[in-house]
Amino acid sequence: ILNVEQSPQSLHVQEGDSTNFTCSFPSSNFYALHWYRWETAKSPEALFVMTLNGDEKKKGRISATLNTKEGYSYLYIKGSQPEDSATYLCACSMNTGFQKLVFGTGTRLLVSP
Amino acid sequence: DTEVTQTPKHLVMGMTNKKSLKCEQHMGHRAMYWYKQKAKKPPELMFVYSYEKLSINESVPSRFSPECPNSSLLNLHLHALQPEDSALYLCASSRDRNTGELFFGEGSRLTVL
Repeated sequence: ILNVEQSPQSLHVQEGDSTNFTCSFPSSNFYALHWYRWETAKSPEALFVMTLNGDEKKKGRISATLNTKEGYSYLYIKGSQPEDSATYLCACSMNTGFQKLVFGTGTRLLVSP
Repeated sequence: DTEVTQTPKHLVMGMTNKKSLKCEQHMGHRAMYWYKQKAKKPPELMFVYSYEKLSINESVPSRFSPECPNSSLLNLHLHALQPEDSALYLCASSRDRNTGELFFGEGSRLTVL
């Protein structure tokens, strides 16, 4: 059974702080790692899809890294803004291909002005 | 148009009712998905359709019946549900079964009385 774990469960930071979250997954038979951002009452929005060990991706102030050998990914937010407040979901698929994504429970981020 | 539209947003039904959830996308995506999310839990995959054919059924009870009438539409027919089936039902699509990024709808919040 594929188990995807995220930490911390929740995080409260001040505007301007930089922060990071962790996603852990089994390193064997890895296929792809996704990060999604989910604001309340909206739809989850894809941030990154990564497949290669050592992948680093960046979108504005948000970046992510991937270590498939040890089974973890980090998501970084530089200079957090109140509009970054959301739940950040990590999802992983194994060698069955992209389709069967298993999600973690998410990290809920609250950024106070 | 990059939206996945789900209707209804909220549905309350009795255990003897028959109802349907609908999902529509006009991005030309050929893979569509149903996920179920209960409170404080990660989204769980239910079904995957690829080119209008059922590709994955994650051992979902037969009281949930998916249907993909064409490449833009995905339905989830509900019959004889139980109160424990109350959850947020998320629809998603991707370009095809091998393209990882999922585009999600906002979900249909189902309450079974």
